[in-house]
Amino acid sequence: DAGVIQSPRHEVTEMGQEVTLRCKPISGHNSLFWYRQTMMRGLELLIYFNNNVPIDDSGMPEDRFSAKMPNASFSTLKIQPSEPRDSAVYFCASSPGAISTEAFFGQGTRLTVV
Amino acid sequence: AQKVTQAQTEISVVEKEDVTLDCVYETRDTTYYLFWYKQPPSGELVFLIRRNSFDEQNEISGRYSWNFQKSTSSFNFTITASQVVDSAVYFCALSERNAGNMLTFGGGTRLMVKP
Repeated sequence: DAGVIQSPRHEVTEMGQEVTLRCKPISGHNSLFWYRQTMMRGLELLIYFNNNVPIDDSGMPEDRFSAKMPNASFSTLKIQPSEPRDSAVYFCASSPGAISTEAFFGQGTRLTVV
Repeated sequence: AQKVTQAQTEISVVEKEDVTLDCVYETRDTTYYLFWYKQPPSGELVFLIRRNSFDEQNEISGRYSWNFQKSTSSFNFTITASQVVDSAVYFCALSERNAGNMLTFGGGTRLMVKP
């Protein structure tokens, strides 16, 4: 398996623009997670899907952030409008779905908002 | 609420030294799971180990070993005979049975192994 695939790997955008990050989980995995990594706050969970349904989005910072999972093989995280403080590395991870199995992470998208 | 603390933000050792990375956790759940991940300079997060709260048996995998002690809520990670390739940020993480597979991460420990 190719692992969790994220695109793009790097994104530079201007403040106010819409940004869409993409994730393809490992085939057969039922759970999908979006994490954000910053120097100040470390690794934070943004949202968690199980069987394509959002289970916990309490980590989503504000209404500018939205995530979707239209099918088992694709998820997006959208920021609209983007702000400089959104600059971070965004990781997508998936896991088989059994209770507390390990999560496998993608290589991340480094987002820079200028 | 769950919490993971990695008090050592940065450790520097010389190659071939042994090094222990500390992890202390807090949880109210009686069933929980502990993890270690490695983040090398390339940036990806690599899974190293998972332990459940009912299994306090220590584990050894090559130069890596893990010491899980429920009495002190600790899950420490030791690298024996460290190598330059071990240089990375190491994260300890916790998930609770009632929280699905959501991971709460510690702040990470940056390990620098010098030749």
